[in-house]
Amino acid sequence: ETGVTQTPRHLVMGMTNKKSLKCEQHLGHNAMYWYKQSAKKPLELMFVYSLEERVENNSVPSRFSPECPNSSHLFLHLHTLQPEDSALYLCASSQYSGRSTDTQYFGPGTRLTVL
Amino acid sequence: ILNVEQSPQSLHVQEGDSTNFTCSFPSSNFYALHWYRWETAKSPEALFVMTLNGDEKKKGRISATLNTKEGYSYLYIKGSQPEDSATYLCAPGGKTSYDKVIFGPGTSLSVIP
Repeated sequence: ETGVTQTPRHLVMGMTNKKSLKCEQHLGHNAMYWYKQSAKKPLELMFVYSLEERVENNSVPSRFSPECPNSSHLFLHLHTLQPEDSALYLCASSQYSGRSTDTQYFGPGTRLTVL
Repeated sequence: ILNVEQSPQSLHVQEGDSTNFTCSFPSSNFYALHWYRWETAKSPEALFVMTLNGDEKKKGRISATLNTKEGYSYLYIKGSQPEDSATYLCAPGGKTSYDKVIFGPGTSLSVIP
């Protein structure tokens, strides 16, 4: 166990559905991240939150909407997704605010399928 | 933006063999490099973080070296075991300590018993 949990582990949704992914970290970290991994592609950073403020948004479409209500919880709200959004979505946390020396601790991921 | 390459893409070795793989990155834009191990159906797990040219880190049978001048890092596994089967990701970080890391595509290792 890494101290980072994600729910659900698997999600199938239609293009018109609204769903949310949840991430929780029990490590007392200050930074949290959302990554996307599509088939045969490297991990892509989507969002970074530091002390509950968004510090990075890597040109992610607005159909993905992150929320960080406190430093332990991170959500990714999904709305009107496309089939090409089917991927593994990973959450991670690190002790400090996203410095390149910080080790990231990952959750197990949510496997999302958009029909 | 860092362009990160890892080679080989995949590797199959016999149990007991030693192996190594490479991570390449632009040497002009570097501050730190991480290695992660990602086993199937599990979370990526941190192995090492290195910052200095010539750094060498070791964890059990796994070790890593860093050459920041030429822009590469090697990961070595001595006497591979089936439990070493995983994808190994490198993630160099940018020029300042506040740049985010960029993950490479990974090397997938299968150790055959």
